[in-house]
Amino acid sequence: QSALTQPASVSGSPGQSITISCTGTSGDVGYHNYISWYQKHSGKAPKLILFEVSNRPSGVSNRFSGSKSGSTASLTISGLQAEDEADYYCSSCTRSNTLVFGGGTKLTVL
Amino acid sequence: EVQLVESGGVVVQPGGSLRLSCAASGFIFDNYIMHWVRQVPGKGLEWVSLINWDGGSTKYADSVKGRFTISRDNSKNSLYLQMHSLRTEDTALYYCAKDIVKDGPGDAFDFWGQGTMVTVSS
Repeated sequence: QSALTQPASVSGSPGQSITISCTGTSGDVGYHNYISWYQKHSGKAPKLILFEVSNRPSGVSNRFSGSKSGSTASLTISGLQAEDEADYYCSSCTRSNTLVFGGGTKLTVL
Repeated sequence: EVQLVESGGVVVQPGGSLRLSCAASGFIFDNYIMHWVRQVPGKGLEWVSLINWDGGSTKYADSVKGRFTISRDNSKNSLYLQMHSLRTEDTALYYCAKDIVKDGPGDAFDFWGQGTMVTVSS
């Protein structure tokens, strides 16, 4: 159950787009489409922003989108806003039906 | 409104035991898989355990397998985590989280509590 690999940090200017990768193996990201993404502001509980690779829960902005290729999933945030500055985590179900998170990515809006 | 309220977090000595609770409201509790997720302060999220809708299926992270037991009481809309043989590395904020599905593989966590802090220290 090794953590999925995410970049430690990414940054972008308001209005730009950024992409955060989430790399796993054929036993997790490459095995299931149960890939989800979470936004976490400091001191707050995580918020689900994408599930099953690319589905947005009700109320989540369409500026958030997701994709998957092989054992790597990606989160793209378009039209960056100051409020998007947060930590982002991916999660995947594994072949053994456990779950695993990525190490998290700190997004800085310049 | 969905609410998840964790309790039971305290300071405990290494080797000790503790039971965390999570009181759920605002949704049909026995229609969903429930999870425990933890976060060491300043570190990332770590999935701990899940239990399916009727308690018939449970899963654990390797780091807690054999030491932690997840359970639920659907008549009380409550989730529990019994923790034994606690280690300093179990020190974390423990979140209760609701899945979007009832059974099968865990899918995604759509609601989270605010967490309860467990500190393992002598």
